[in-house]
Formats: sequence, C-alpha cells, structure tokens
Amino acid sequence: TQLLEQSPQFLSIQEGENLTVYCNSSSVFSSLQWYRQEPGEGPVLLVTVVTGGEVKKLKRLTFQFGDARKDSSLHITAAQPGDTGLYLCAGTNDMRFGAGTRLTVKP
Amino acid sequence: EPEVTQTPSHQVTQMGQEVILRCVPISNHLYFYWYRQILGQKVEFLVSFYNNEISEKSEIFDDQFSVERPDGSNFTLKIRSTKLEDSAMYFCASRPLAAEKLFFGSGTQLSVL
Repeated sequence: TQLLEQSPQFLSIQEGENLTVYCNSSSVFSSLQWYRQEPGEGPVLLVTVVTGGEVKKLKRLTFQFGDARKDSSLHITAAQPGDTGLYLCAGTNDMRFGAGTRLTVKP
Repeated sequence: EPEVTQTPSHQVTQMGQEVILRCVPISNHLYFYWYRQILGQKVEFLVSFYNNEISEKSEIFDDQFSVERPDGSNFTLKIRSTKLEDSAMYFCASRPLAAEKLFFGSGTQLSVL
C-alpha cells in the first residue's frame, strides 16, 4: 500500500482567495488522480496527472505532478463557494485515497 | 451519462445481522470496487474485483465481508454479522479496462444499531 498524505486537512477561506492543497508520498506513482466529493455523494474525478512535472488546468484549478512523481498539488484561483468540498488524491497503482482536504469557501 | 447505481440508499440494521449492499456498475466496466467512509473521515479502500475474483483487499475486509457478482450486472457486498463500527457510507465504483477513471455510485448509508 502506497500511503498518500494530504495537507492541510481543513481549509476555510473567503470567496476570491487563492489556495493550494498538497498530496505527498514517499512512493513513486505511475499517475495520480484528484477527485472532489460533495456531501452525500461519491467522489468525482477532476484530473489524472501522468508525467513528472506535468501541469494540467481545469478552469480555475491547476494541478501539478511532481518531477519525481511522488507528490502533487492543486491550486485554485479566485475560489468560489461552489468549490466547497472534500478534495481527494488517489494513486492509480492501487486506487487508494489520501485522507483529503476539506475546503470551505465562504461567500 | 451512464452511472453506477447503489441500493438501498439507506440501510438500518441490528448488530449481528447480515446485510447485503447492492451495486449495478456501468455495463461495459470490468473493474469493481467497494470503499467505505465513516462520517467525516477518509474514503477507505475495501476490495477490488476483476474477472470474477478479488484482485486486492484491505485489512478492513476481513472474514465478515464478502463480495459477489451473481449475474452479469450486479455486484454485491455482504457483511455477515454487522458490528456498530461498520456504520458508514459504502461506495461502489467501477472503471473500464482501458481507463483508470473511477465512477462512483451515490453510496449506501449503513447504520448499525
């Protein structure tokens, strides 16, 4: 099992602020995925990062895969209340999730 | 868009009773998973299933748990003798052979009293 540590565990910010959350491991992953989970629902895939150093953008969300393929970050620009949710990373080697970052964006 | 369907959405049971949670994965998917999430906590991997057999299971998935694909469409998780600590949201997920994107159902909220 390849452990994924996510930080911060909780994040509460005001609408319009920028934020970055992290997913770290001592293991190398063939690829990493980011999911968002809203209350009462299953996680929904946002992106898969495959190549070391890769940067992917999804509107205001920017995902980066570390050069060594051991870590990843998610940056949100000008956060909105609709971004509120639990952000999870998962290693595709074993489809296990980190504990997640619970983001709250206040209007 | 095709979706993973889970039933029931809520299940209340007495401690020691058997429960069966049902899932209908997306029809052309070949990998199936069960996860659980205790309220406010992480999404925990239970088991993965491929080609009619368990491919991997976690330490949570002990002898009280079993999975089955009884026909071409259903994928079930059985808990033989439920404990209070089995109370959680149970998610089923599936994915096709050629892609790693997991599609999750909306979950079954299991409450053991």
